[in-house]
Amino acid sequence: DTEVTQTPKHLVMGMTNKKSLKCEQHMGHRAMYWYKQKAKKPPELMFVYSYEKLSINESVPSRFSPECPNSSLLNLHLHALQPEDSALYLCASSQVGAGDNSPLHFGNGTRLTVT
Amino acid sequence: EDKVVQSPLSLVVHEGDTVTLNCSYEVTNFRSLLWYKQEKKAPTFLFMLTSSGIEKKSGRLSSILDKKELFSILNITATQTGDSAIYLCAVETSYGGSQGNLIFGKGTKLSVKP
Repeated sequence: DTEVTQTPKHLVMGMTNKKSLKCEQHMGHRAMYWYKQKAKKPPELMFVYSYEKLSINESVPSRFSPECPNSSLLNLHLHALQPEDSALYLCASSQVGAGDNSPLHFGNGTRLTVT
Repeated sequence: EDKVVQSPLSLVVHEGDTVTLNCSYEVTNFRSLLWYKQEKKAPTFLFMLTSSGIEKKSGRLSSILDKKELFSILNITATQTGDSAIYLCAVETSYGGSQGNLIFGKGTKLSVKP
């Protein structure tokens, strides 16, 4: 088990549904990340939050909407997804700050299937 | 364009063998190089390397970074079937002065046969 908790573990949704993925960590990390991982591919960065502010958005379609309500929580709101969005969505967290060298710690992911 | 290249892409060995996994990179604003092990779900952290020539060890695993030649290796000695996994190399770069963009290689799939 990891110290980054993601819910739900599995999600099946239709293309007209609205759903949210949730991520929580209590390690005091102030940077949180969303990655998308397709089968047999490495994770790809989607969003980075640093001190609850979005600092990196890797040109992700607007049907994915991140939210960071506080330093421990990270959400990913999903709306009008496409079947090709089916993937494993990984949340990660790390420390942040000049001179810090903190690895990313990943959650177990949400396996999303869009029908 | 930043890139991270791992080799080999897959490897089959027998228990007790020693393996070496390779990772080379070309990035701007290098911060660190990380190794992760991924089985079914989350990548689990193995090592973070920031300085050249300093070996990091954890049990049967060890890793070293060469910042001049821009590569790292991950060694696993006396392999066990539980070492079977995909090993991911990632390089962290600074993005616009702030932290934390990981560029992953494609991974090396290691299969350890009994």
